[in-house]
Amino acid sequence: EAGVAQSPRYKIIEKRQSVAFWCNPISGHATLYWYQQILGQGPKLLIQFQNNGVVDDSQLPKDRFSAERLKGVDSTLKIQPAKLEDSAVYLCASSLSTSLNEQFFGPGTRLTVL
Amino acid sequence: AQTVTQSQPEMSVQEAETVTLSCTYDTSESDYYLFWYKQPPSRQMILVIRQEAYKQQNATENRFSVNFQKAAKSFSLKISDSQLGDAAMYFCAYRVYNQGGKLIFGQGTELSVKP
Repeated sequence: EAGVAQSPRYKIIEKRQSVAFWCNPISGHATLYWYQQILGQGPKLLIQFQNNGVVDDSQLPKDRFSAERLKGVDSTLKIQPAKLEDSAVYLCASSLSTSLNEQFFGPGTRLTVL
Repeated sequence: AQTVTQSQPEMSVQEAETVTLSCTYDTSESDYYLFWYKQPPSRQMILVIRQEAYKQQNATENRFSVNFQKAAKSFSLKISDSQLGDAAMYFCAYRVYNQGGKLIFGQGTELSVKP
């Protein structure tokens, strides 16, 4: 089966610009996660969706970050405006549900903010 | 707050030898899961092994096994007969039982395998 797809793979922007990332989860997976992985650190959950509803967005910087999952399938994560400290890899993961189902990760989008 | 700590930023092992990666965690919960994930360079993160806290028996997956010490809140990963393909960043992760799927990750240990 196809894995989690993400695009773009790399993005370089200047601070104060806007950027958007796209994620297509594995077909049939109800739960979708966005993680931020800063260089030298482990991933940190930004937001979790169950179908098209938000389950957890407690660590999402809502003044600049937004995410949506229209129709409960694909998801986009947006940063507006970007700051230098947003430079990181943004990982999307999906699982069948929020119970103990394995999370499958995408290849990530590496963002560099200059 | 739940935290996961990996105190070894880097580890090295000779091919065919055994290496142990350390992980400690802090939680007040009694029901939770622990995981080891592997992240090869420029490749996707994959699950290596999983341990349920209520199980006393240590999980094993082929050459990978864990030493789970619940009282000490320790969860180490042993890789036996190390192979060149085992070279990667390894992350220890934790999630609470029945509280969504949120994973809390440690800082990672970069494992290199010498031929």
